[in-house]
Amino acid sequence: DAGVIQSPRHEVTEMGQEVTLRCKPISGHDYLFWYRQTMMRGLELLIYFNNNVPIDDSGMPEDRFSAKMPNASFSTLKIQPSEPRDSAVYFCASSLRAPGQSGNTIYFGEGSWLTVV
Amino acid sequence: GQQLNQSPQSMFIQEGEDVSMNCTSSSIFNTWLWYKQDPGEGPVLLIALYKAGELTSNGRLTAQFGITRKDSFLNISASIPSDVGIYFCAGHSGNTPLVFGKGTRLSVIA
Repeated sequence: DAGVIQSPRHEVTEMGQEVTLRCKPISGHDYLFWYRQTMMRGLELLIYFNNNVPIDDSGMPEDRFSAKMPNASFSTLKIQPSEPRDSAVYFCASSLRAPGQSGNTIYFGEGSWLTVV
Repeated sequence: GQQLNQSPQSMFIQEGEDVSMNCTSSSIFNTWLWYKQDPGEGPVLLIALYKAGELTSNGRLTAQFGITRKDSFLNISASIPSDVGIYFCAGHSGNTPLVFGKGTRLSVIA
């Protein structure tokens, strides 16, 4: 079975440019999560969706970050304009059940490694 | 918000040794998950725990959901070189999204 698919795997961009990260969740999973990983802060939740609707975006750093989920099989995380401090690994993850629901498991993609110079 | 304290931060062990790492939370959790992350990859689920006191094994890995529901440990027996990586604990408190520990970086010396 295909897991969570992310693209691009690696991106190097100049400060001020727009960055778009893409994610395809596991088919049938109703929940989609975007996480950011840095050495200093570890894995942080940015936003998550249920049935394509954003549920909690309190982790989104600032207005430069936006996320959308136009359909059940696709989501984007956009940074505009990008800054060097946005350099991190961005993970998309999906799950079948709601956070905290018994038996729930979250599966991660391989990440998008972003470097802003 | 919830915080997870994971220890140790890093470990250097000889091949064949057993490994133990643990995680504690400031609040009661109803799910504990243990993930491993290899360099350049995403976290991969190793073991999931859903009940207080639950003890679950996956090959050489064993994890337990603490009775107090505020802690969990992961043991690796007879370590091998491919066990190298970063191990993360993660958990849910109530219906909140998954929160992660800072990870334990494991190095195995052959």
